[in-house]
Amino acid sequence: NAGVMQNPRHLVRRRGQEARLRCSPMKGHSHVYWYRQLPEEGLKFMVYLQKENIIDESGMPKERFSAEFPKEGPSILRIQQVVRGDSAAYFCASSVRGTQGSQPQHFGDGTRLSIL
Amino acid sequence: DQQVKQNSPSLSVQEGRISILNCDYTNSMFDYFLWYKKYPAEGPTFLISISSIKDKNEDGRFTVFLNKSAKHLSLHIVPSQPGDSAVYFCAGGGNMRFGAGTRLTVKP
Repeated sequence: NAGVMQNPRHLVRRRGQEARLRCSPMKGHSHVYWYRQLPEEGLKFMVYLQKENIIDESGMPKERFSAEFPKEGPSILRIQQVVRGDSAAYFCASSVRGTQGSQPQHFGDGTRLSIL
Repeated sequence: DQQVKQNSPSLSVQEGRISILNCDYTNSMFDYFLWYKKYPAEGPTFLISISSIKDKNEDGRFTVFLNKSAKHLSLHIVPSQPGDSAVYFCAGGGNMRFGAGTRLTVKP
């Protein structure tokens, strides 16, 4: 009964490169959320997706960041032309239903992105 | 838009005593609040929730209190155990608005 799987756990990129972070939700979960945690800060919501649809991307920077959750395969958070300020832990979560009510989210263990 | 705030970055208590973690929110439309616990190098895990129509929810050693008029909630852990040492986040707004977290240390 695998939980939310994120890979890679650690990713190192040089400034200007692209970073791709993957998230496989729990079995049976069709709702995926991405969060960013900067050092010594809380979780900042980035984007909420349902299969093939972006439901809420209000927390996503307008440039360089994109997310998808295709019909088949994992959800991908893509950061183009990375900068030092992108260094953070990126967490993915999934849920059976959406954001209504008390539906808890199940989190992966995160991808730690370091920009050289 | 910091709709959920945890103003205490850290809390230290003695084993066996009560831990009280606080959370304030600004959006009166939030209908549920959840608490998550996070250990280093791991993702948060769900702990307990409360509906806005209630003022208390209890689960074993964990109790969450909600004061809607003050837009304030608190998590009580009694008795505190060393294994409770972690960062605790409160969340609202469809579960997507998180506070900055409070690092709890329970000393043996």
